[in-house]
Amino acid sequence: NAGVTQTPKFQVLKTGQSMTLQCAQDMNHEYMSWYRQDPGMGLRLIHYSVGAGITDQGEVPNGYNVSRSTTEDFPLRLLSAAPSQTSVYFCASRPQKNTEAFFGQGTRLTVV
Amino acid sequence: DQQVKQNSPSLSVQEGRISILNCDYTNSMFDYFLWYKKYPAEGPTFLISISSIKDKNEDGRFTVFLNKSAKHLSLHIVPSQPGDSAVYFCAARRDQGAQKLVFGQGTRLTINP
Repeated sequence: NAGVTQTPKFQVLKTGQSMTLQCAQDMNHEYMSWYRQDPGMGLRLIHYSVGAGITDQGEVPNGYNVSRSTTEDFPLRLLSAAPSQTSVYFCASRPQKNTEAFFGQGTRLTVV
Repeated sequence: DQQVKQNSPSLSVQEGRISILNCDYTNSMFDYFLWYKKYPAEGPTFLISISSIKDKNEDGRFTVFLNKSAKHLSLHIVPSQPGDSAVYFCAARRDQGAQKLVFGQGTRLTINP
């Protein structure tokens, strides 16, 4: 079972570059979300989606865009990378009625 | 504003003894609490949860206690095993509709043989 798959696992970007972090789940979960993990900060919610075509902002949405065209995929776009976006990014999904989420393995992003 | 706080960045426990991880929260509207476990280079995995209408939930070696008046919850692991060495995150649910989770900073637990 693949669960939640994130690609790439590692990425180095130059300041100002754009890129998309991919997230796919094969569990037919309605809810998907993106978190970033920074030292001493825990995981902070960037954006989330309650179903295909529906997205909303979390705690730290600035500098990121998302879309949800299918149930399976929830890509996270960095429009113009900044060093402050250096972090580990986690995608998560869960069924509508559950609170417990399944997380991907993470993408470690470094912006230089 | 850190609404969920884990004030101990790290904890070291002897194998076979009890591990107690603590978590404090400030928002009285939180209605559901979870613990996640994270190994290096992996995503967090769900461990145990508790609803605000309960004060204790047990699952094998893991028990979570909730003290609503103190806005405090704790995770007890008995007996501790080397495989329990990981980072543990406390999380609280806000907004039952969207079910957003607010995470603490994490506590790194090391179990010594």
